[in-house]
Formats: sequence, C-alpha cells, structure tokens
Amino acid sequence: NAGVTQTPKFRVLKTGQSMTLLCAQDMNHEYMYWYRQDPGMGLRLIHYSVGEGTTAKGEVPDGYNVSRLKKQNFLLGLESAAPSQTSVYFCASSTGTPFSEQYFGPGTRLTVT
Amino acid sequence: SQKIEQNSEALNIQEGKTATLTCNYTNYSPAYLQWYRQDPGRGPVFLLLIRENEKEKRKERLKVTFDTTLKQSLFHITASQPADSATYLCALDMTIPGAGSYQLTFGKGTKLSVIP
Repeated sequence: NAGVTQTPKFRVLKTGQSMTLLCAQDMNHEYMYWYRQDPGMGLRLIHYSVGEGTTAKGEVPDGYNVSRLKKQNFLLGLESAAPSQTSVYFCASSTGTPFSEQYFGPGTRLTVT
Repeated sequence: SQKIEQNSEALNIQEGKTATLTCNYTNYSPAYLQWYRQDPGRGPVFLLLIRENEKEKRKERLKVTFDTTLKQSLFHITASQPADSATYLCALDMTIPGAGSYQLTFGKGTKLSVIP
C-alpha cells in the first residue's frame, strides 16, 4: 500500500495564478484533511471531508476550495494564489471512527512569488 | 478559544537519558490526545493515543501521561538515541459531539535533539 500520496512535491507560482493539489489514499478511509504548516504556527486545518461528496471548512479556509468526487481523492484548489499562501501543505486521512489516528502524506512545498 | 502549548520549541538531551516533552491546553476538555513524530521534510507519523480516562500509556521506550486536572500531557522517551531526534507534535481531539466530525488541533511541536 502506498498510503497517502500527494502531487506535486514542489511548486512555484506567481501571484494570481491558480493550481490544484492532489491527494490520494489507498486505505479506504472515510475522512480526509488538508493542513498547512508554517514556521511558528504549527499545523492548521484548511478543509476536511467526512466522506465522498462532502466537504467542510476548517480553521483557515479562506482562499482555498476543495472537492471530494471520489472517496480516495481529495483536491485542494487555489484560485488566485497570494504570497501568504506560501507554505507546506499536508494531506491526511483517517478511518473516521472515534479515537482514530491520522495518516499523513509527504507534503507539498508551495512558494508564491 | 482553545489553546494548546508545547512548552519548548527545542530540547537537547544526552544520549541514554530520558527526554520529557510537555503539552498543555486550556479552555477545552478533550476526550483523547495523540502524539506524532515529524522528521524534516516529511509528514507527521502517529505514535501514541491516550484517552481521558487513562493516566498512562506505554509503547516500547515511549510513555505518555494525561492529567485532565492539570490539563497536561507528558511524553517521555527513555534511553534516548540519536535516531529519536525529530519534532514531536501533540494533538488534541476536537470532536464535535453529534456532528460526526473527528478533528485534531495540533501544537506547534518540540524539536528534540539527542546528542551522542
């Protein structure tokens, strides 16, 4: 099993450009999450999904959109990138049962100039 | 609002000693708490979970305690090794009862360096 994979690993965008980050998991997990991690800020939840076709806002959702058309995939979109979105983005998944741990992908390092 | 603090950004310790990391929280009563390890350039990896009715949990050289009165968790690594050098994150359960949503809120982490 590959676990949680993320595409791409690195990306540089200019301000105003758009892009989509792809997360895929092969563990048949119900729940999926997108986090961003910034120095001194820790991991912050952007959006999450409790099942195929559902999404919900996390702590810092502004400037991002998500979609979960297939159970195994969770997409994070930036419609008009801003320098403040320079960060490392992590996707995670979990079974969604009480007390379940989260499995994280390797991360995507995004720089917006 | 809820707040979670890991008391040290960095902790240096001699090989063979016990490393103790602290996680404090306020304004919340989580049903459980988790600890993760993160190596540079990689995603966090789950280590241990402790529930609110458990005082202590062990896994090999790792031990976690949970004091709901003090609102504190301690994470211990005994007989520490250079390979234990990493950033350790604590995460609180932010489950919303009845909402069917299981979320975690993470601390900023403590970077542990084990010196040979």
